[in-house]
Amino acid sequence: DTAVSQTPKYLVTQMGNDKSIKCEQNLGHDTMYWYKQDSKKFLKIMFSYNNKELIINETVPNRFSPKSPDKAHLNLHINSLELGDSAVYFCASSSTGDGYTFGSGTRLTVV
Amino acid sequence: QQPVQSPQAVILREGEDAVINCSSSKALYSVHWYRQKHGEAPVFLMILLKGGEQKGHDKISASFNEKKQQSSLYLTASQLSYSGTYFCGTDFSAGNMLTFGGGTRLMVKP
Repeated sequence: DTAVSQTPKYLVTQMGNDKSIKCEQNLGHDTMYWYKQDSKKFLKIMFSYNNKELIINETVPNRFSPKSPDKAHLNLHINSLELGDSAVYFCASSSTGDGYTFGSGTRLTVV
Repeated sequence: QQPVQSPQAVILREGEDAVINCSSSKALYSVHWYRQKHGEAPVFLMILLKGGEQKGHDKISASFNEKKQQSSLYLTASQLSYSGTYFCGTDFSAGNMLTFGGGTRLMVKP
């Protein structure tokens, strides 16, 4: 059983489109995250979410929005995609005091 | 605030040792270490909490110097499987999001 799963693995889309990436974890963790990894491998935190609180990195454009239907899922919606949004997006989860478990990533290419 | 990692890259021969450093200008609550292989997700190695502890398993260990706000990852008798990019992640209080350093690319050659 995959601990943190993301779909799709690859996503190619045109500028201006709206897309979603899904993430599910079966570890019983209480917090989930979205990270963006650019071409230089820099991992940037985008959101942190548990059942009480959403924390947004202030540098993330409001075109990006997380949606959590329940504790095990945290989806990422992106509106009006731009070329600069091309990157690998990682979902992760953790419990307090533990390391993060990352999903396998979604490679987004905006053309 | 992003922690600073050094060196940015290192090349080793099998069996050699390496040290990767991670520094913060702000007081840390914890430091995490991860390894990412090409095309894969980062994988958790270990976590160190403030208090100056040291941890390790097998031939990979780490220390946390609370006074210097610095953590070091020690790779002993490196193996080919150690190749990858190592990231430190830091937070400033319990429950905060991790902020990652720029990464250290490690290549182990036969």
